[in-house]
Amino acid sequence: SAVISQKPSRDICQRGTSLTIQCQVDSQVTMMFWYRQQPGQSLTLIATANQGSEATYESGFVIDKFPISRPNLTFSTLTVSNMSPEDSSIYLCSVVGSQETQYFGPGTRLLVL
Amino acid sequence: QKEVEQDPGPLSVPEGAIVSLNCTYSNSAFQYFMWYRQYSRKGPELLMYTYSSGNKEDGRFTAQVDKSSKYISLFIRDSQPSDSATYLCAMQASGGYNKLIFGAGTRLAVHP
Repeated sequence: SAVISQKPSRDICQRGTSLTIQCQVDSQVTMMFWYRQQPGQSLTLIATANQGSEATYESGFVIDKFPISRPNLTFSTLTVSNMSPEDSSIYLCSVVGSQETQYFGPGTRLLVL
Repeated sequence: QKEVEQDPGPLSVPEGAIVSLNCTYSNSAFQYFMWYRQYSRKGPELLMYTYSSGNKEDGRFTAQVDKSSKYISLFIRDSQPSDSATYLCAMQASGGYNKLIFGAGTRLAVHP
């Protein structure tokens, strides 16, 4: 399976600010996914990031709030904009690996005060 | 109603016990079923992957899918303290390049 790293691993931010989360994969992948895991809740897909095209957002998530970049086949960023305490979550990226299953990065733990 | 229902636990068992974790779902289009294990402060790790109905065994772990009942299970035999984690079921209608629908996760604690 691909090796996925995320930066930062955790952060504490003030409301109204923005944070950009990086996801790096050790091999080229077609699609990358961004999920959110709120406390006590299941993982929810935010958007799918394709290289060379606009990200596709799930219902309830918008580009202005969660802009995504995908400059190449090994890297993506997710920005959480104008943060509020409700954005406190774990943010995870994933890629499709062998067996066509999804493999996840270690996550970024975000606390918004 | 959520698409995937999973009892959040926590579930506490003694070392060596057989653990049964379960999920139910409502979408009959789901064809691919997965179990992920998530240790504290880590990302989910793929544990088992099953296509359609049936059983799959891997060491101490057995995954079962009953599509007629829309019910999936993960059994852990001879549970160890190192199995203490949150177990997430996940499923999708088509393989690979489609979103996963997750259960809320069941916290398992195996005590010596």
